[in-house]
Amino acid sequence: DTGVSQDPRHKITKRGQNVTFRCDPISEHNRLYWYRQTLGQGPEFLTYFQNEAQLEKSRLLSDRFSAERPKGSFSTLEIQRTEQGDSAMYLCASSRAEARGEQYFGPGTRLTVT
Amino acid sequence: QKEVEQNSGPLSVPEGAIASLNCTYSDRGSQSFFWYRQYSGKSPELIMSIYSNGDKEDGRFTAQLNKASQYVSLLIRDSQPSDSATYLCAVKDGNNRLAFGKGNQVVVIP
Repeated sequence: DTGVSQDPRHKITKRGQNVTFRCDPISEHNRLYWYRQTLGQGPEFLTYFQNEAQLEKSRLLSDRFSAERPKGSFSTLEIQRTEQGDSAMYLCASSRAEARGEQYFGPGTRLTVT
Repeated sequence: QKEVEQNSGPLSVPEGAIASLNCTYSDRGSQSFFWYRQYSGKSPELIMSIYSNGDKEDGRFTAQLNKASQYVSLLIRDSQPSDSATYLCAVKDGNNRLAFGKGNQVVVIP
């Protein structure tokens, strides 16, 4: 069990640029979640996948955000035309597909939009 | 009303004392409750999960759940400086989303 991994750990980009983040879940977990956390707040749910199917999307996820999990393993989160308000920690978590599936977080990707 | 509320400000406790954290939630149908620990600049780490009314103990941590009062708490016994962190209460909804409180900062004073 190597844990959830995320890449990159830090990203600095200029406003208007596109960025893409990757998440690799714990190998036997078939649910994968994306959250966003800003300073002083708890994480906010963005979206989640069961295998390759995207089952839930938050209203927070504007049209500039898109997430994929094409083969049911790793996932990518893309933000197009970044804005300064997108600056946050983007967290990925994974769990087993069971009612009590506990979610384990990766180290996060810290995005700074200048 | 926010889904998950953690209202207490920063909590300072002397080393060896008990730290007590509280959390209330709004969705009466919630069934799964979690406490995460988050060190500054790091990601949340799961430390406790609780699903039934009553107490659940794991080492120095005890989680307490009262579904009738929609209340979850976390006790940290024999607090250590390494327990200094922000503690996040999370509640899972019927769509597998976790709703988090803002967190409570705990400072253990040696």
